[in-house]
Amino acid sequence: AQSVAQPEDQVNVAEGNPLTVKCTYSVSGNPYLFWYVQYPNRGLQFLLKYITGDNLVKGSYGFEAEFNKSQTSFHLKKPSALVSDSALYFCAVRRPTGTASKLTFGTGTRLQVTL
Amino acid sequence: DGGITQSPKYLFRKEGQNVTLSCEQNLNHDAMYWYRQDPGQGLRLIYYSQIVNDFQKGDIAEGYSVSREKKESFPLTVTSAQKNPTAFYLCASMPSDTVTGELFFGEGSRLTVL
Repeated sequence: AQSVAQPEDQVNVAEGNPLTVKCTYSVSGNPYLFWYVQYPNRGLQFLLKYITGDNLVKGSYGFEAEFNKSQTSFHLKKPSALVSDSALYFCAVRRPTGTASKLTFGTGTRLQVTL
Repeated sequence: DGGITQSPKYLFRKEGQNVTLSCEQNLNHDAMYWYRQDPGQGLRLIYYSQIVNDFQKGDIAEGYSVSREKKESFPLTVTSAQKNPTAFYLCASMPSDTVTGELFFGEGSRLTVL
């Protein structure tokens, strides 16, 4: 079985400060990892993914994530938060075998950026 | 512009009624998915279709049905057998059902049972 944990229901950060949204995973074999963002009453938007290669992945809107195999983590980061980054963030994992349908989402972390 | 259109955005249903949520995409994607989102539970897969005229049950298919008669369309019917249908429903697609691919989502449909 595969799983994703997002240990923080909410993260609060001041605009201009760096932000981190945490994600840890459990999966057999090498993981394929994804981050999505959801604004209120909207669908999810893809931010970035790790498939293989460089452990630091850069994505949309200035976000990046670091894959750490030993800690089974894939934390989302941004050097300088914006108020417009306030949204719900989901981490997701797939195994390298099987189908795309076997995508497991975390429960989400709400990011609140204040002035 | 290409994308996924879900309708209606908001839907109210009386207990015992079936309702159908529409999902149309003009991205020319083969694979389509339906997810259910509940507060604090993340997304759970209801049904998916890798190709026209074929679909598979996801993790929580009971009380739901789908069809895939056209590549562009993947409607979801919430039947009266679904015990707790109030939720936010998301349709998604991918070019093909590959493990490295990312999903493209519609804007969602919020169903409330009165």
